[in-house]
Amino acid sequence: EAQVTQNPRYLITVTGKKLTVTCSQNMNHEYMSWYRQDPGLGLRQIYYSMNVEVTDKGDVPEGYKVSRKEKRNFPLILESPSPNQTSLYFCASSYRGGNTIYFGEGSWLTVV
Amino acid sequence: AQRVTQPEKLLSVFKGAPVELKCNYSYSGSPELFWYVQYSRQRLQLLLRHISRESIKGFTADLNKGETSFHLKKPFAQEEDSAMYYCALGSNYQLIWGAGTKLIIKP
Repeated sequence: EAQVTQNPRYLITVTGKKLTVTCSQNMNHEYMSWYRQDPGLGLRQIYYSMNVEVTDKGDVPEGYKVSRKEKRNFPLILESPSPNQTSLYFCASSYRGGNTIYFGEGSWLTVV
Repeated sequence: AQRVTQPEKLLSVFKGAPVELKCNYSYSGSPELFWYVQYSRQRLQLLLRHISRESIKGFTADLNKGETSFHLKKPFAQEEDSAMYYCALGSNYQLIWGAGTKLIIKP
């Protein structure tokens, strides 16, 4: 079954404690992306990757890092989380950018 | 500049009434347009893409290049249609998202 899998699904953490949200897709997609979704602000792209070892900033990259060492994985790293990063995060992938995109189930992150 | 506008943040209609969720775009080339739906606390999923010209869950959307619109329509709303709807434009290997419209179907 075609899937985008993210973990953890729910996390409460403290300010400054590094965390990683993993994302994996099994569709051999070249394009992967991270979004955050906040009430009243819709979807905002954090980072995206067109292929292995190719990553670019989206609209709101500050405070986040990503890596794309393998085609299937695209982890999101918060080196020093702050309360304003409390949000719902979605990983997504597509065959190529601008095409039909498949989303993970979302990761609810709370930073206290 | 490429842009997607969904002018309504919230749309509330009665069950059985027609629904139209508006989407306007700004794009200089041939657009590739999508509607995505997000049911409560679930992932976004593709509802429609304009090139497929199909009807999903009773929804249709027609691309109107003259008006640069891709409105989503359903003749008779059902309670299970209550969700968040996002219009998106494929451009330069990216998707440009509208701000979303929350659709509430009243019983």
